[in-house]
Amino acid sequence: DIVMTQSPDSLAVSLGERATINCKSRQSVLYSSNNKNYLAWYQQKPGQPPKLLIYWASTRESGVPDRFSGSGSGTDFTLTISNLQAEDVAVYYCQQYYSTPPTFGQGTTVEIK
Amino acid sequence: EVQLVESGGGLVQPGGSLRLSCAASGFAFGSYGISWVRQTPGKGLEWLSYISSSSETIYYADSVKGRFTISRDNAKNSLYLQMNSLRDEDTAVYYCAKRRDGYMDYWGQGTLVTVSS
Repeated sequence: DIVMTQSPDSLAVSLGERATINCKSRQSVLYSSNNKNYLAWYQQKPGQPPKLLIYWASTRESGVPDRFSGSGSGTDFTLTISNLQAEDVAVYYCQQYYSTPPTFGQGTTVEIK
Repeated sequence: EVQLVESGGGLVQPGGSLRLSCAASGFAFGSYGISWVRQTPGKGLEWLSYISSSSETIYYADSVKGRFTISRDNAKNSLYLQMNSLRDEDTAVYYCAKRRDGYMDYWGQGTLVTVSS
């Protein structure tokens, strides 16, 4: 199984500032034949299911604000929330879908400072 | 609007069985693979099982292989998870999630399964 490790476990950011979450996979999730990174990011607010934010490492899902962006390739990925809003308080998860079983990071909690 | 609604959760004793259902609407259910994912405070999100659109491909996590069975009825727009030989560590919120290209684009609200004597 591909182990996904996120850092930090939690962070507190002031409103309007930037939050950066890292995700590292133990092996590459870049598929060479199509040059795509099989990496997704989800947001989960209290009492709600996860919501898809980003797929293919950097493609925003329809309806997701453009302050959310994903980057990285191979084994190292980043989710950036620019101009943090109060409604962005949540737990964020990365997930690889390069191989079965799909695996998730442990989650990063974003709070307001 | 895509909707996935899980049901069937509840309290069950260790060694017991439970059948979860997931009712889908708002999309062409028979054209998409669906996964079950569970969430516990301790282990976070754990993928459990996947079934392809016409049930020809099925996968299970090692943790549930031989105990859980995934199935679907496309005529009823429904997905199922038969859970047998339940253990304390199966206590979790269980989600069904629509799969698109490998990632999960829509999730249900979840149903709580508690395994306890």
